[in-house]
Amino acid sequence: EPEVTQTPSHQVTQMGQEVILRCVPISNHLYFYWYRQILGQKVEFLVSFYNNEISEKSEIFDDQFSVERPDGSNFTLKIRSTKLEDSAMYFCASSGSGMPYEQYFGPGTRLTVT
Amino acid sequence: RKEVEQDPGPFNVPEGATVAFNCTYSNSASQSFFWYRQDCRKEPKLLMSVYSSGNEDGRFTAQLNRASQYISLLIRDSKLSDSATYLCVVNDYKLSFGAGTTVTVRA
Repeated sequence: EPEVTQTPSHQVTQMGQEVILRCVPISNHLYFYWYRQILGQKVEFLVSFYNNEISEKSEIFDDQFSVERPDGSNFTLKIRSTKLEDSAMYFCASSGSGMPYEQYFGPGTRLTVT
Repeated sequence: RKEVEQDPGPFNVPEGATVAFNCTYSNSASQSFFWYRQDCRKEPKLLMSVYSSGNEDGRFTAQLNRASQYISLLIRDSKLSDSATYLCVVNDYKLSFGAGTTVTVRA
């Protein structure tokens, strides 16, 4: 069964450093997403990406965040200058076209900012 | 009003019991709805989409009431493996998650 994969599974970084989280969506999917979940809190939408551009983003997704699809398979989330409050689990998801737009999640990257 | 509200539980039920819980959503124009389950520190996994006519998948039944803006999930014949947090999710071209309902099935 096809699945979304993410690397690394755990990333520890110092405040102010840049991090890049990587995702490989399901191969025939067209829509890609990033979500985050702070420990003990609900899953929050960050950004959606379609046809090589951002289609929606939340207020969390400020200038410190960017996304890219550098090739035909990878989808990345970059945080330019990490803050302590960026510590969270980051999930990548993908969906195909057509209703009901079911999204499938990767296993997540746990980001710890010290 | 929160976009998606759920009873956090926990629902603590014996094996074989039936458990049901609801969620409410605020955007009357929302188009599609889902139940996901999330095990501790794992990714959300799609359990089922929720259709207007209601739908069933094995022991799981989901209902949608658009007029009252609520979605329900019923689990019949609970198994130990059903212990998880169940996330009510509304799709408005991005997923809006509820905080989850915790279900614990005991032997």
